[in-house]
Amino acid sequence: GAVVSQHPSWVICKSGTSVKIECRSLDFQATTMFWYRQFPKQSLMLMATSNEGSKATYEQGVEKDKFLINHASLTLSTLTVTSAHPEDSSFYICSARGIPSGQDGTYYGYTFGSGTRLTVV
Amino acid sequence: DAKTTQPPSMDCAEGRAANLPCNHSTISGNEYVYWYRQIHSQGPQYIIHGLKNNETNEMASLIITEDRKSSTLILPHATLRDTAVYYCIVKSPGSEKLVFGKGTKLTVNP
Repeated sequence: GAVVSQHPSWVICKSGTSVKIECRSLDFQATTMFWYRQFPKQSLMLMATSNEGSKATYEQGVEKDKFLINHASLTLSTLTVTSAHPEDSSFYICSARGIPSGQDGTYYGYTFGSGTRLTVV
Repeated sequence: DAKTTQPPSMDCAEGRAANLPCNHSTISGNEYVYWYRQIHSQGPQYIIHGLKNNETNEMASLIITEDRKSSTLILPHATLRDTAVYYCIVKSPGSEKLVFGKGTKLTVNP
């Protein structure tokens, strides 16, 4: 079935450093990828939408210079949290959208990665 | 964004059917209803989606009312591993984005 691999699953970094999170669609091509952030006991909040080869579209209130998104291929998108601070500590989740259904009925619509727990100390 | 309304929490006994309701009265004619669930500290898991007809897969059934203003997700035989937050999502017309509401926290009790 559709699988989205997200790495790392958790990371601890020092304040002021940058962290890169990778999101890969393993068995399908993702026309669009999405990045979400989730704080404890809250729902997922969409940060940005990216299409391969073009600039990401950020949601209102999300700093594009702080959260750099690169979508260089149809199977890979990266999110870089630059100059991380403790308030950036959160659970980051990617999602990849492919063709709605494969020939075998597999769903390739919106598939989510397993998330990355970022802790900035 | 298209709005959905779900009860904040529900309980279900293990082995019984769990019926999770969702209201989406502003849904447009060609937008699907998606259901995902999130088990603690994991990414959301796709469950099912539908347009107007009822749908069933190995995980669940989705019942959509004829006017499409509400739907019910049915887990036929809930297990403890079904304890999760369940999200009912309807995209806004022409939008690619899945916007998550608060969902329903389902607790399956032994």
